[in-house]
Amino acid sequence: NAGVTQTPKFQVLKTGQSMTLQCAQDMNHNSMYWYRQDPGMGLRLIYYSASEGTTDKGEVPNGYNVSRLNKREFSLRLESAAPSQTSVYFCASNREHNSPLHFGNGTRLTVT
Amino acid sequence: SQQGEEDPQALSIQEGENATMNCSYKTSINNLQWYRQNSGRGLVHLILIRSNEREKHSGRLRVTLDTSKKSSSLLITASRAADTASYFCASGSGNTPLVFGKGTRLSVIA
Repeated sequence: NAGVTQTPKFQVLKTGQSMTLQCAQDMNHNSMYWYRQDPGMGLRLIYYSASEGTTDKGEVPNGYNVSRLNKREFSLRLESAAPSQTSVYFCASNREHNSPLHFGNGTRLTVT
Repeated sequence: SQQGEEDPQALSIQEGENATMNCSYKTSINNLQWYRQNSGRGLVHLILIRSNEREKHSGRLRVTLDTSKKSSSLLITASRAADTASYFCASGSGNTPLVFGKGTRLSVIA
């Protein structure tokens, strides 16, 4: 039982490059989330998917897109990376809104 | 921002002492949750307290909730070096995602 798995663990991009962060959960959860964590800012919600087939913007969606590929997988795409997107990205899932979240171990992204 | 706030931002105590962290939130809630984050890892859920509860215990953890003040506290009794981590509160309301605070960094010195 792996829980929430994120890939890659580390990534360095140059400004303007694109990449997709992958996330998969094996707990049959309905809802999935992408957060970014920056020093002194706590966790900020980028996008979420309340159920398969739906996605919604969170607090800081600009510069990102998401795809809920199926119930298990939720990907985050940076189309044109900027230095301001240097951060640690966490994927999380839960059975429904307000139930306990299960987190992956994060992707550490540096944009130069 | 809808984020709540934890207080203090950082806390350093000796092993064996109690650690108290506070959280304030902004909207009416269904529940309030506390999470722990070890360095370089994802957050781990610790405890959930519902809006109609005032106190909840789990092992060495004690959580209180005061909905009139929109605040919660997390008490860790008899702290250990292994409790060193960041602790976050998250408020759940309606049919919206959890809103996290900025966290308290706890250092327990052996």
